[in-house]
Amino acid sequence: TQLLEQSPQFLSIQEGENLTVYCNSSSVFSSLQWYRQEPGEGPVLLVTVVTGGEVKKLKRLTFQFGDARKDSSLHITAAQPGDTGLYLCAGETSGTYKYIFGTGTRLKVLA
Amino acid sequence: DAGVIQSPRHEVTEMGQEVTLRCKPISGHNSLFWYRQTMMRGLELLIYFNNNVPIDDSGMPEDRFSAKMPNASFSTLKIQPSEPRDSAVYFCASSSPFWGQGVETQYFGPGTRLLVL
Repeated sequence: TQLLEQSPQFLSIQEGENLTVYCNSSSVFSSLQWYRQEPGEGPVLLVTVVTGGEVKKLKRLTFQFGDARKDSSLHITAAQPGDTGLYLCAGETSGTYKYIFGTGTRLKVLA
Repeated sequence: DAGVIQSPRHEVTEMGQEVTLRCKPISGHNSLFWYRQTMMRGLELLIYFNNNVPIDDSGMPEDRFSAKMPNASFSTLKIQPSEPRDSAVYFCASSSPFWGQGVETQYFGPGTRLLVL
């Protein structure tokens, strides 16, 4: 069974601090996505990475796909209270046409 | 454009009762996914459809769960009989134009919070 482990599980930081969230697996993925979910809502896609070593930036968020396409990281610079939420990674194994979601990182940014 | 619509948003029922969750995907999307989210197990894919046909139902927990997609604009997830361990948030998501042709974006609905007493 494929498993995507995220760390840390919980993170509480002050506004302005930087943080990194990790997503790790023993499986190789053809693509990996990051989502943010706010309370009472469904997950919303932030980014998709498909090439090993790929780095994508979305304003203060930087996403990286591992060279071996087994892991990924999300780095947030100068976190803001609006970044608060549940961050989920999801990996797709070639040919399955479905995404397996990670265990999630719950982030709280304090003003 | 309206996003994915789910109903009801909240459902409280007693053990043994039948529960039906409903989903209207985004118009033009031809892939539809049902997920279940709990604190213990996270977000799990239950089943997904492409062009109204079930493609993979390996995530459906047991025979008490069934899903249908009679047309491109409507899907149901039914639990009969319901049990307390079925309590979770159930999400429906849709994507286009054809899942598998490259990378697609799934759009999630707001979810249905189910509590089985």
